Amino acid sequence: KQEVTQIPAALSVPEGENLVLNCSFTDSAIYNLQWFRQDPGKGLTSLLLIQSSQREQTSGRLNASLDKSSGRSTLYIAASQPGDSATYLCAVRGGYQKVTFGTGTKLQVIP
Amino acid sequence: DGGITQSPKYLFRKEGQNVTLSCEQNLNHDAMYWYRQDPGQGLRLIYYSQIVNDFQKGDIAEGYSVSREKKESFPLTVTSAQKNPTAFYLCASSSGTLTEKLFFGSGTQLSVL
Repeated sequence: KQEVTQIPAALSVPEGENLVLNCSFTDSAIYNLQWFRQDPGKGLTSLLLIQSSQREQTSGRLNASLDKSSGRSTLYIAASQPGDSATYLCAVRGGYQKVTFGTGTKLQVIP
Repeated sequence: DGGITQSPKYLFRKEGQNVTLSCEQNLNHDAMYWYRQDPGQGLRLIYYSQIVNDFQKGDIAEGYSVSREKKESFPLTVTSAQKNPTAFYLCASSSGTLTEKLFFGSGTQLSVL
């Protein structure tokens, strides 16, 4: 059974810092990994999708990497802003239509 | 704008009552999903459907039912058999291929009166 872990559960940083969020998974037989952002009381917004054959994806200040063999992904946020404050979740797509989510990292960026 | 619409945003259930959550998408996606989110827990899959008139149970299907009569619509009924229904419910869709991303609606918060 796939298990997805995100550490730390919460993170507080001053504005302008570069930061890294971590996601680890136990079964490396995956099709892709997706990073989401969730604001309080809202749905999930897709940030980046990395296919199993890819090593990284970039969008603006965000960069996600994938090391399938070690079961790890990182989300790098450059020059953090207060508007980046949210919960960040990773999700791994494994067997047929099976997507497993982590419990998320709650990020607070302090002005 | 293409997307997924969930309604209502807030819903209250009385004891013994069935309630239905709506999910509509105009992305022309084949696959649709229902997830439940509880504080401090990851999203858990309730039901999913890959094609009209077909759906499969997820990890926590007991006390829930779904239908998929149209490609655009995938309503979820929370029955009286679900003894702990208070949660945030999220509907998602994807093209149906294993390499494509998931898109989510804005969610419905269900509470028990």
